Amino acid sequence: GQNIDQPTEMTATEGAIVQINCTYQTSGFNGLFWYQQHAGEAPTFLSYNVLDGLEEKGRFSSFLSRSKGYSYLLLKELQMKDSASYLCAVRVSGNMLTFGGGTRLMVKP
Amino acid sequence: EAQVTQNPRYLITVTGKKLTVTCSQNMNHEYMSWYRQDPGLGLRQIYYSMNVEVTDKGDVPEGYKVSRKEKRNFPLILESPSPNQTSLYFCASSLSGTGDPYGYTFGSGTRLTVV
Repeated sequence: GQNIDQPTEMTATEGAIVQINCTYQTSGFNGLFWYQQHAGEAPTFLSYNVLDGLEEKGRFSSFLSRSKGYSYLLLKELQMKDSASYLCAVRVSGNMLTFGGGTRLMVKP
Repeated sequence: EAQVTQNPRYLITVTGKKLTVTCSQNMNHEYMSWYRQDPGLGLRQIYYSMNVEVTDKGDVPEGYKVSRKEKRNFPLILESPSPNQTSLYFCASSLSGTGDPYGYTFGSGTRLTVV
């Protein structure tokens, strides 16, 4: 079976840095995705890692270690609008994405 | 604009009354999929389609049907809805193969309530 774990909730302060971890045990691996989802809305693409290392995109960075089955999403200079759920997803085979339960991030002033 | 369009956005229906949620994409994507999202359970795949006339079950297919007669459309059919199908539903599409760096493009979601 597929297992993707993320913390359920996190809280951080505006302007700070937060790291959201994701660990996975899957039958295959062809890339790891992070999506952002505001309440009641569609998930939107944030980042993609298929090789080990860090991918940086503005305030957001994502890291992957395939040997450890581990990824994290790093959000810098937090803003109130970053309050959302963050979904970790693994492309197991073909086009199929398996999602973790999501991490609800609350940013406080 | 490249997008996945779902309709309706909100639907309240009664137990047993057949309904269809439509999904259409304009990106010529081969792969389409339906997910449901419930609190504490994340996104769970219902059905997916690799191409026209090719569909397969996901993790939670019971009580649902799909069809893929055209590349752009992938409707979700609930023949006899029950209250446990009350959920937020998302349609998603992507290019075929494993090289798509964006994963899925999601529709806006359909919030279904079955009473």
